[in-house]
Amino acid sequence: DAGVIQSPRHEVTEMGQEVTLRCKPISGHNSLFWYRQTMMRGLELLIYFNNNVPIDDSGMPEDRFSAKMPNASFSTLKIQPSEPRDSAVYFCASSLAIRGGADTQYFGPGTRLTVL
Amino acid sequence: GQNIDQPTEMTATEGAIVQINCTYQTSGFNGLFWYQQHAGEAPTFLSYNVLDGLEEKGRFSSFLSRSKGYSYLLLKELQMKDSASYLCAANTGGFKTIFGAGTRLFVKA
Repeated sequence: DAGVIQSPRHEVTEMGQEVTLRCKPISGHNSLFWYRQTMMRGLELLIYFNNNVPIDDSGMPEDRFSAKMPNASFSTLKIQPSEPRDSAVYFCASSLAIRGGADTQYFGPGTRLTVL
Repeated sequence: GQNIDQPTEMTATEGAIVQINCTYQTSGFNGLFWYQQHAGEAPTFLSYNVLDGLEEKGRFSSFLSRSKGYSYLLLKELQMKDSASYLCAANTGGFKTIFGAGTRLFVKA
């Protein structure tokens, strides 16, 4: 079975450029999460969706960050404009909400973003 | 506030037993997860506890005490491949899960 798919796996861009990260959750899962991981801050929850609806975006650091989930099989995380401090690994995870949200999350391989 | 504490690093010997502790303080609580993350890879699920007590799954066991805000992950018969980071994560209600910074475990021969 295909797991969570993320693209690109690596992205190197220059400060000020727009970056779009993509995620395809596991088929049948109804919750999707975007995380950012750095050595300094660990794994931070940015935003999560349930049934394609954003539930909590309080973790999104600034207005430069936006996320969409137009359908159950696709989500994007966009950074515009990007800054060097956005350099991190961005993970997408999905889950099937059975336990009222306290469900096992399955992580994609991550996108390693470097902003020069 | 929300806070999860776990040791930064631990070292253990192949074949031994190691216990990784985690304490949490959250405004809500609906279960405690442990994830394993090898360097350069994604976190993968190890265990979930919602009730007090010990859950055993092969070489790995996880314990929870809700009254103490405390959990531990016990790894037995350590293997070199167990060298990884172990992330403690608390579900605070609904869909929100907060992760600790992780404990890097080094297994030496």
